[in-house]
Amino acid sequence: GIQVEQSPPDLILQEGANSTLRCNFSDSVNNLQWFHQNPWGQLINLFYIPSGTKQNGRLSATTVATERYSLLYISSSQTTDSGVYFCAGPTLSGYSTLTFGKGTMLLVSP
Amino acid sequence: SQTIHQWPATLVQPVGSPLSLECTVEGTSNPNLYWYRQAAGRGLQLLFYSVGIGQISSEVPQNLSASRPQDRQFILSSKKLLLSDSGFYLCAWGRGNEQYFGPGTRLTVT
Repeated sequence: GIQVEQSPPDLILQEGANSTLRCNFSDSVNNLQWFHQNPWGQLINLFYIPSGTKQNGRLSATTVATERYSLLYISSSQTTDSGVYFCAGPTLSGYSTLTFGKGTMLLVSP
Repeated sequence: SQTIHQWPATLVQPVGSPLSLECTVEGTSNPNLYWYRQAAGRGLQLLFYSVGIGQISSEVPQNLSASRPQDRQFILSSKKLLLSDSGFYLCAWGRGNEQYFGPGTRLTVT
């Protein structure tokens, strides 16, 4: 099945800084999701982005499917952005199952 | 709008005891349903998925089982828990390629 690699594994930022998280996948994908897991464990959907660019407030994401990567941009980071960011792509076995990367743990300090 | 519920939120169980975790979805019909486990160290592992009542697919051999007795109800069970069953269990529902997660159950096996 598909392999999903995320980088960096850990990231520490000062409040107000910008950051870019990367997700590489081993095969072409027709769907790609980004999630944020908050400190209480809740996984929150950020973007469904099989291709192109989307923006939602201070967050934006770009997927270049032909080159098998996706980027998540966080601008003017806030302490509430802390947590783990996951990307997930489709498992090739069907039924819309997802394979998750290992995540990027982000800590935004005041 | 759709909502997904899981209970209990936390659970401490002795080795060898049975387990039943429940997940219900509101506001949609015939969703795909998924159980994931997240052990310490962040990665999410897909355990089971279901595309309809009584239809369960298992991704990994293990001590757990799943059932879908009603369209929007998904249950994760074990007859005898092992220490290695400890972790954070997440239920998700999906339609098409997107998945949405419940709040999770934190299970500690002692």
